[in-house]
Amino acid sequence: EVQLVESGGGLVQPGGSLRLSCVASGFTFSSYWMNWVRQAPGKGLVWVSRIKSDGSSTGYADSVKGRFTISRDNAKNTLFLQMNSLRPEDTAVYYCTSGGGAFDYWGQGTLVTVSS
Amino acid sequence: QSALTQPPSASGSPGQSVTISCTGTSSDVGGYNYVSWYQQYPGKAPKLMIYEVTRRPSGVPDRFSGSKSGNTASLTVSGLQAEDEADYYCNSYAGSNNFFFGTGTKVTVL
Repeated sequence: EVQLVESGGGLVQPGGSLRLSCVASGFTFSSYWMNWVRQAPGKGLVWVSRIKSDGSSTGYADSVKGRFTISRDNAKNTLFLQMNSLRPEDTAVYYCTSGGGAFDYWGQGTLVTVSS
Repeated sequence: QSALTQPPSASGSPGQSVTISCTGTSSDVGGYNYVSWYQQYPGKAPKLMIYEVTRRPSGVPDRFSGSKSGNTASLTVSGLQAEDEADYYCNSYAGSNNFFFGTGTKVTVL
């Protein structure tokens, strides 16, 4: 059974940093593109970032470019999202998802709240 | 660039069909066959329903179908059932390692 389990969310002040993790199981993690997608409370889905299976290629939404960094550790089946210079508008549930052209498996999400 | 445009709501009676549109540009929906659709229940993670415009993942009922014409993609749910009441989002690849989601459509089964 495929499982994606996110962690690392919480309350952080504006300007602060947070590192999200996503541990994958049930599939060959090292063969898949991975993504982060977020959803602000009561709002729609927003694609945030993606990383190629071997980590050699990454992409970011304009809203997070220069502030967020996606990475992965294939030996530990783990995806990361380093979030710096956080803003109140970054408040959202962050989902880890697998897939290149579509997002086939999703985690349960981790809530990030940016507030003073 | 901003989100793809979807109608805020759609509805139908049980057994009827409902079609949701997803309008983008030639740089995303019209330029690539990487359009996908997601179903989301309140408080739950989204679920992939359609990928590569028309393909259904294993386990998704064939009542769900996708299509595309120009810069607009569509999701049709035939034979509506109560369990189809949910939010639906489209997504498209937009080149240069970039993706956009649609604004979302709430489907109500009357």
